[in-house]
Amino acid sequence: LAKTTQPISMDSYEGQEVNITCSHNNIATNDYITWYQQFPSQGPRFIIQGYKTKVTNEVASLFIPADRKSSTLSLPRVSLSDTAVYYCLVGLGTNDYKLSFGAGTTVTVRA
Amino acid sequence: NAGVTQTPKFQVLKTGQSMTLQCAQDMNHNSMYWYRQDPGMGLRLIYYSASEGTTDKGEVPNGYNVSRLNKREFSLRLESAAPSQTSVYFCATTPGTDQPQHFGDGTRLSIL
Repeated sequence: LAKTTQPISMDSYEGQEVNITCSHNNIATNDYITWYQQFPSQGPRFIIQGYKTKVTNEVASLFIPADRKSSTLSLPRVSLSDTAVYYCLVGLGTNDYKLSFGAGTTVTVRA
Repeated sequence: NAGVTQTPKFQVLKTGQSMTLQCAQDMNHNSMYWYRQDPGMGLRLIYYSASEGTTDKGEVPNGYNVSRLNKREFSLRLESAAPSQTSVYFCATTPGTDQPQHFGDGTRLSIL
């Protein structure tokens, strides 16, 4: 089970770009990298998933270097509604069901 | 959260009481999971069911039992509730092993 390390908290202001880096030194060949967002009193919500290089969707971008030992979630032009906890998960490879979330990164966006 | 329904949303129990948390999904997903989330912490996996008819322990299974009733439903049972089980419980589903999880909105359980 690949262990992940990410910052406990980050502060930002509206309109700025927020980059959250997650370290996963023992990532396995079959592992995907997945990011979730969680608001208070709600379940986590899928943001983006990638395996290598760069993935972009309407919400975020995910940058993964060639060695795949880290990944960076990029949130462009954040707003107050982006204040949430963001979780990085590594796994979902073949037969890898035993995923657990770390403490995540609390992102606070200020006006 | 559309697709994954958890009941009840809130529950208060006394120590020693039993309780079953229900989870139902209408997305025809194969795999289902139960997590607990304690204040200020991430989610920890209690049990999971890779497919109908199978269940397996996660990271923190002690004090819990599960039942995969059919493809749609996955229940979590506390046989003798303890204050340490006060938490928010989330159910999640995924179509397959390489797909992201879909979560319900949780059951907030307090044990006095």
